[in-house]
Amino acid sequence: GQQLNQSPQSMFIQEGEDVSMNCTSSSIFNTWLWYKQDPGEGPVLLIALYKAGELTSNGRLTAQFGITRKDSFLNISASIPSDVGIYFCAGQYSGGYQKVTFGIGTKLQVIP
Amino acid sequence: NAGVMQNPRHLVRRRGQEARLRCSPMKGHSHVYWYRQLPEEGLKFMVYLQKENIIDESGMPKERFSAEFPKEGPSILRIQQVVRGDSAAYFCASSPGTSTNYGYTFGSGTRLTVV
Repeated sequence: GQQLNQSPQSMFIQEGEDVSMNCTSSSIFNTWLWYKQDPGEGPVLLIALYKAGELTSNGRLTAQFGITRKDSFLNISASIPSDVGIYFCAGQYSGGYQKVTFGIGTKLQVIP
Repeated sequence: NAGVMQNPRHLVRRRGQEARLRCSPMKGHSHVYWYRQLPEEGLKFMVYLQKENIIDESGMPKERFSAEFPKEGPSILRIQQVVRGDSAAYFCASSPGTSTNYGYTFGSGTRLTVV
């Protein structure tokens, strides 16, 4: 089955710093998704990417769909305490129905 | 609140009991997905259902687990004869179609603890 490798698995950063995390896949995807999960809650969609090479921003968040279609990264600029949480990448290969596969997550801690 | 509703939020069961987890999708969504999240792990796909049909159950354990999405009412994930290893957070997501162009909207999850 499809495997997603997400790194790093955890990060401690100072408030105000930029953050970068990435995902690689063993096979190509047609869609990359980035979710954030707050403690005790379900994941919430941050950014969706649909084309290879696509670069999309959502406020302080920027994500890119890799040219090879096997990778994606998420950047968070000028981190703030409420950025704390677990960030998941997810991918889907659209050939008829294909389930969405999730990475293991990056746990982000922001030190005020 | 028109979001995906899951209940209960927390469920405690003794070993050998049955656990029933409910998911009401967003209004207008007819596709439901169940995921399991073990402590310190990512989301693992379990099953995908449309109204009255199981489309993909490739992530469901072969025994003790079952899911349904009846014509009326919520989707149900049932775990029979629970064991300690079933302790996890179970999330339901819904969408109006199979394409992620619509996005998956997740509920807040049910945290199952088996004692």
